[in-house]
Amino acid sequence: KNQVEQSPQSLIILEGKNCTLQCNYTVSPFSNLRWYKQDTGRGPVSLTIMTFSENTKSNGRYTATLDADTKQSSLHITASQLSDSASYICVVSLSGTYKYIFGTGTRLKVLA
Amino acid sequence: ETGVTQTPRHLVMGMTNKKSLKCEQHLGHNAMYWYKQSAKKPLELMFVYNFKEQTENNSVPSRFSPECPNSSHLFLHLHTLQPEDSALYLCASSQENLRTDTQYFGPGTRLTVL
Repeated sequence: KNQVEQSPQSLIILEGKNCTLQCNYTVSPFSNLRWYKQDTGRGPVSLTIMTFSENTKSNGRYTATLDADTKQSSLHITASQLSDSASYICVVSLSGTYKYIFGTGTRLKVLA
Repeated sequence: ETGVTQTPRHLVMGMTNKKSLKCEQHLGHNAMYWYKQSAKKPLELMFVYNFKEQTENNSVPSRFSPECPNSSHLFLHLHTLQPEDSALYLCASSQENLRTDTQYFGPGTRLTVL
């Protein structure tokens, strides 16, 4: 069954600290993996997109990694800010289709 | 703002009502999407339109009826909904429906069915 699992479900960190969010997937055949940030009451915003051949991609303080062999991805946030408080969603798309499998997200709260 | 607008932002309707959600994108994109986001559940892709043609219907009940009159506008017509249809409905667009295209989401319509 095609699934995307994210951990932890929620996370609280202090401003300025780093954190890492995890995404494990069983989607096959794999096309690409995306990370989105969703603020409360808003639509998701794309952070990174990685294809099979890419194992890291950065967007400012956000760095995503992909291990296609173990089917794992992580999103590392450096020097967190209050504005990083949001849900982070991992999405995997199936090769040969237009289907996207979404994770349930990790809710991050950054405290001052 | 992402360049994708949705109206209304909030909607309360009875099970016998008929209403429509509207999405408009100002990005010159050719693909548009409807998603459903329920509490504590992953986003669910409902419909995909590519160059005004529907390319994906993800087994959505017929009480949801999409319409894409042109590449900039997307509607979701609602009738005889159920309380479990209450959710955040998100519209998105991308340049084309290519697997590496970035999708830009609107703010969503919060729907409550009584």
